[in-house]
Amino acid sequence: AQSVTQLGSHVSVSEGALVLLRCNYSSSVPPYLFWYVQYPNQGLQLLLKYTSAATLVKGINGFEAEFKKSETSFHLTKPSAHMSDAAEYFCAVRRGQGGKLIFGQGTELSVKP
Amino acid sequence: GAGVSQSPSNKVTEKGKDVELRCDPISGHTALYWYRQRLGQGLEFLIYFQGNSAPDKSGLPSDRFSAERTGESVSTLTIQRTQQEDSAVYLCASSLTRGNDGEAFFGQGTRLTVV
Repeated sequence: AQSVTQLGSHVSVSEGALVLLRCNYSSSVPPYLFWYVQYPNQGLQLLLKYTSAATLVKGINGFEAEFKKSETSFHLTKPSAHMSDAAEYFCAVRRGQGGKLIFGQGTELSVKP
Repeated sequence: GAGVSQSPSNKVTEKGKDVELRCDPISGHTALYWYRQRLGQGLEFLIYFQGNSAPDKSGLPSDRFSAERTGESVSTLTIQRTQQEDSAVYLCASSLTRGNDGEAFFGQGTRLTVV
């Protein structure tokens, strides 16, 4: 069965510091991997997705993620945090097209001034 | 419409009442998903539609929950005899089955409060 694990339910960084949100997946076949962001009282917005075209994926708002098959990881990074990055971040996996997305438990990112 | 639309945005209901939540997917999207998000928790999968059939409804928590979809259009999630533990945000998403690498687009959700 597919699953994703997000390490750390809460991450706090200072404005301007590196953001690193961790995601590990388990899948028996190469998956599609996604990072979504949820701002307070809003729906989910896609940040970026991995679809095997390139291992380093760039997304919106300066975020990027690297697919590492050897580590079964898809960690999300941003070089310099901004106050507006404070939100809940979800990693998700899907095997192939169609079928359900399996979400991690989410990581709440706080950004301190 | 341009995005996934859900209605109502907020619903307060008395324990024991039935509620119906509606989702209008993006036009042309054959896949539709319902998720539940309890306060401070992740997204819990409920049901997946491909067209008007539901190949995966493994996440429906009890027989009080049901969902249907008309063609490749509107879906309704019905909760009968609501309980307080049903209080959550119910999110709907849609995607193209082919192409677009499976990206799912989410609605704003319906916040259900059972009192």
